Amino acid sequence: EIVLTQSPATLSLSPGERATVSCRARQSVSNYLAWYQQKPGQAPRLLIYDASNRATGIPARFTGSGSGTDFTLTISSLEPEDFAVYYCQQRSNWPITFGQGTRLEIK
Amino acid sequence: EVQLVESGGDLVQPGGSLRLSCIASGLTFSNYWMGWVRQAPGKGLEWVANINKDGNDKYTVDSVKGRFTISRDNADSTLYLQMNSLRAEDTALYYCARVQCTGGNCYPWSGWFDSWGQGTLVTVSS
Repeated sequence: EIVLTQSPATLSLSPGERATVSCRARQSVSNYLAWYQQKPGQAPRLLIYDASNRATGIPARFTGSGSGTDFTLTISSLEPEDFAVYYCQQRSNWPITFGQGTRLEIK
Repeated sequence: EVQLVESGGDLVQPGGSLRLSCIASGLTFSNYWMGWVRQAPGKGLEWVANINKDGNDKYTVDSVKGRFTISRDNADSTLYLQMNSLRAEDTALYYCARVQCTGGNCYPWSGWFDSWGQGTLVTVSS
């Protein structure tokens, strides 16, 4: 299975700052990578699919980039509601796998 | 608005069985692949199973193969997960999710999850 490694495990930033979360695949997943946001007590929410496509209703401050083995989720200017856990997910090879998550916390 | 509502989670002894259900509304259920994703307490997300539109193609992760079966009833807009021979490591919140895929590499086992239920908790313990 394809292992996805996210970094950092925890990111401490202030509102208004730029956040960058990385996801690295052990082998190429082409552009078949998605990003999710999960807040405490809530289900995950799709942010980005196929590396760079914003899902319906997702604000423009969320941007996905990358291909092959290295991907990035960027939040251009953090809003209070953006502090959550973020997961990447690949759909290139069976089985579908997720990264271990990155916790974005308020500094 | 798409709504997915799971039910059926419970406390069960190791070796026991449960059937989870997910009732869908706000979508033409038969037009979509569907799946289950689980999350152990305090842990990350793990894909469990997907099913194609008519229910004839089913895919499960190796860790539950032979024990869990995904199925669907399009007439009732309901997705199921039959869970047998449950183990302590199956303890998790189980989410029902709609699977979407466009572009290349689209298969019922593939895709991303664009709508999620709130989950139903399965606890396996003696």
